Amino acid sequence: SQKIEQNSEALNIQEGKTATLTCNYTNYSPAYLQWYRQDPGRGPVFLLLIRENEKEKRKERLKVTFDTTLKQSLFHITASQPADSATYLCALDESNTDKLIFGTGTRLQVFP
Amino acid sequence: EAGVTQFPSHSVIEKGQTVTLRCDPISGHDNLYWYRRVMGKEIKFLLHFVKESKQDESGMPNNRFLAERTGGTYSTLKVQPAELEDSGVYFCASSQDLGLAGEQYFGPGTRLTVT
Repeated sequence: SQKIEQNSEALNIQEGKTATLTCNYTNYSPAYLQWYRQDPGRGPVFLLLIRENEKEKRKERLKVTFDTTLKQSLFHITASQPADSATYLCALDESNTDKLIFGTGTRLQVFP
Repeated sequence: EAGVTQFPSHSVIEKGQTVTLRCDPISGHDNLYWYRRVMGKEIKFLLHFVKESKQDESGMPNNRFLAERTGGTYSTLKVQPAELEDSGVYFCASSQDLGLAGEQYFGPGTRLTVT
């Protein structure tokens, strides 16, 4: 079955730097891959979706890449701010269904 | 536009009792999903409604869990009888488009504690 691996260790970076988070999957290539942000005590909030035929997607300071050969997605936040501090979740579809499989998330801490 | 709402935000019950969680999706969203996050683990899919029909309930742990979506609007998830391992945060999500549109809107979750 499909598994998602995200770095469970927190990522600490300085304000203004670029944060890069990694998401690896183990089995088949999904039709799409998504990134969500989750703050404590809240539900995940959708950020970006990238489809299997797309290499890169951008939205303001966010950029997602999708490499089906490496079975990996990278999530970048440029010019990071303390307000970007949160847990970021990678999710993908299972076998062309609407069912999402989530990773455990990586906590990002941006300090001034 | 109101987002996905869930009630209650927190529930503490004893083992063997019954609890019913409610989810109100975004108006007009035909797709409604239930997920659960057990402490320390990833968010896991429970089931998916399209309008009032169960599209996929492959993630439901066992027959102590019953989900309904009468009229294709709000949904309830009942756990009867609750066990200790049912503790966790239950999320509801909704989406507008059928098929592989992807983007889902999540509610704040209901934290269930079974003692």
